Amino acid sequence: EADIYQTPRYLVIGTGKKITLECSQTMGHDKMYWYQQDPGMELHLIHYSYGVNSTEKGDLSSESTVSRIRTEHFPLTLESARPSHTSQYLCASSEPGQGATQYFGPGTRLLVL
Amino acid sequence: SQQGEEDPQALSIQEGENATMNCSYKTSINNLQWYRQNSGRGLVHLILIRSNEREKHSGRLRVTLDTSKKSSSLLITASRAADTASYFCATDVPNDYKLSFGAGTTVTVRA
Repeated sequence: EADIYQTPRYLVIGTGKKITLECSQTMGHDKMYWYQQDPGMELHLIHYSYGVNSTEKGDLSSESTVSRIRTEHFPLTLESARPSHTSQYLCASSEPGQGATQYFGPGTRLLVL
Repeated sequence: SQQGEEDPQALSIQEGENATMNCSYKTSINNLQWYRQNSGRGLVHLILIRSNEREKHSGRLRVTLDTSKKSSSLLITASRAADTASYFCATDVPNDYKLSFGAGTTVTVRA
């Protein structure tokens, strides 16, 4: 099992609420990623970070934002949740270098009513 | 944009049989990786094959890569019920550290 954690595992919330999905890793990896995955579908990269104070938007446009103040922590925030945000969110981290293995957390399943 | 596409989308086999799935991609790659995802969980790395390699083994897994056809295959031999999962290929391209994942192949192993 990889040392990467996500909380909460499941979240049911009403429209308009602000939410933060937590992701932390104890492997000291500089690179971290957030993916969005609908059931039975591919992963879409929505945010990534190459280190502290570095954040970039991924290939899929997302209304969420991220921050990277500490190496081990990469939270994702939605200021105003909508039903269209219902999905599974996966956090991952990797060592430097191309082709590095990505280590995934267990994911957060978000349902916005 | 999606770089890798797996085929078939779903596969059902009897325990003890072999499972083969394929991945095709569009542009030149540095490496290709295969990951497994159990239902409702994160992905777990299985194996990486570099663009200058043609075949790689890890336990019951065998991966091939044909860069001329821009395709890879993953073979799971002597399947077990615990192999029931979705399998994804992921590629990285020159000068880009990000991975691009396909839609996955869902494998069901019947006891």
